[in-house]
Amino acid sequence: EAQVTQNPRYLITVTGKKLTVTCSQNMNHEYMSWYRQDPGLGLRQIYYSMNVEVTDKGDVPEGYKVSRKEKRNFPLILESPSPNQTSLYFCASSFTGGYGYTFGSGTRLTVV
Amino acid sequence: DQQVKQNSPSLSVQEGRISILNCDYTNSMFDYFLWYKKYPAEGPTFLISISSIKDKNEDGRFTVFLNKSAKHLSLHIVPSQPGDSAVYFCAASAQGGADGLTFGKGTHLIIQP
Repeated sequence: EAQVTQNPRYLITVTGKKLTVTCSQNMNHEYMSWYRQDPGLGLRQIYYSMNVEVTDKGDVPEGYKVSRKEKRNFPLILESPSPNQTSLYFCASSFTGGYGYTFGSGTRLTVV
Repeated sequence: DQQVKQNSPSLSVQEGRISILNCDYTNSMFDYFLWYKKYPAEGPTFLISISSIKDKNEDGRFTVFLNKSAKHLSLHIVPSQPGDSAVYFCAASAQGGADGLTFGKGTHLIIQP
C-alpha cells in the first residue's frame, strides 16, 4: 500500500531532550515536506526537500532540523525541544510537487 | 502575512443541502489550488484541485470554482452528507510547487442531520 509512515504517533517529552520524528514513504517521491498544525493557525510548513541532499526552510523552521540522506526518508529533528513546539506534525510527500501531496497520519508531540 | 485565507472557521449545513467553502489568496504567483479534507486523528487527504488556466473543476459531488481576477476560489459540495463533516483546508502552489503547499487555516464543516 502506497503510504507515508510517521513514527511515533504520540510523544511526550521534556524540554531540552533531543528527539527525532521519522518519516518514510514507499512511493519513490522526490518531494517531501514537514508541516505543523496548531489551533487557529492551520498547517504551516517547517522544511521541505526537493530531492536527496536538497532541503530548504519553510515558513516556521526555527528550532527544527531535517536531513534527506535517502529518497524515502525525511526525519524531523528537534535538538532542544521547547513547550512552544507542542503541536501536531505531518510529513508529506509528492511525485509532482505542488500538484498534490500525500500526508502521513501525524505525530502529536507534547513538550513539558 | 497570510497568503491563503479561509475566513470562516466553521460552517454548519443541513444534510442534503449545498455546502460552500470559500478561500481567498493574495499571491499572484499561485497557479495551482487544492482542497484537502481532514478528519480528527488522521492526516489531510486530497479532495480536488484546479489549475489557474481553468475556472471550474468537478468530481462527483465536489466542484471547485476559481475566480482569478478576484483571487477567490470556492468548494461546493452537493448534496452534503454526514460523512462530509470534517475540516477542509484550501492550499496553493506556485510554478510546480517544488517548495510545497501554502495552506489556509481551515474551515470546520458540520453537516446537521
